[in-house]
Amino acid sequence: EGQLVESGGVVVQPGGSLRLSCAASGFTFEDYAMHWVRQAPGKGLEWVSLINWDGTTTYYVDSVKGRFTISRDNNKNSLYLQMNSLRIEDTALYYCAKGRAVITPLERWGQGTLVTVSS
Amino acid sequence: QSALTQPASVSGSPGQSITISCSGTRSDVGYYNYVSWYQQHPGTAPKLMVFDVSHRPSGVSNRFSGSKSGVTASLTISGLQAEDEAVYYCSAYTSSNTLVFGGGTKLTVL
Repeated sequence: EGQLVESGGVVVQPGGSLRLSCAASGFTFEDYAMHWVRQAPGKGLEWVSLINWDGTTTYYVDSVKGRFTISRDNNKNSLYLQMNSLRIEDTALYYCAKGRAVITPLERWGQGTLVTVSS
Repeated sequence: QSALTQPASVSGSPGQSITISCSGTRSDVGYYNYVSWYQQHPGTAPKLMVFDVSHRPSGVSNRFSGSKSGVTASLTISGLQAEDEAVYYCSAYTSSNTLVFGGGTKLTVL
């Protein structure tokens, strides 16, 4: 099943930028589509973005389009989320998760990294 | 990309069965048979419990079952156990290949 470990979450000011990383191990990373899902404190899950196995296809929730960019490096078994123009409402625990293909269930999740947007 | 609609809470006694509903639209729940259910205990990551409406991953108890009719999906947990107390989220892929979650349902085992 493997392991996913997120990193990069910090406190950042509104309007700032941040890059999250997700390190994958224990499975063939390039065989999987990857997702970012976030959870604001005390709230429910919100899907953020999806990238297919080779990075050629990406999808985003409307609220982050034009501000966030998902990418991956299959040579480094890593997933990224570049977050620009951050807003207070982007404050959340960000999870990475893997799925067998683009529209398949999220079968394994990391433990998340906390992003706090605050002045 | 509106969230799917779930009841905020449900409860049941040990040994009983409960059902959690998940309502969407023809563009999400009603579009594909790609509805999943996730269980989340406090302070932990979500865990996949049911996928593709009614399939269980290896290792998930057969007490968990899923179904769908039109734009409403359901998760049934039979033989409730104390360890089932958690928040449950449904999800569905949309016609645009994005993913949408429900607001979550807190299950209390009395």
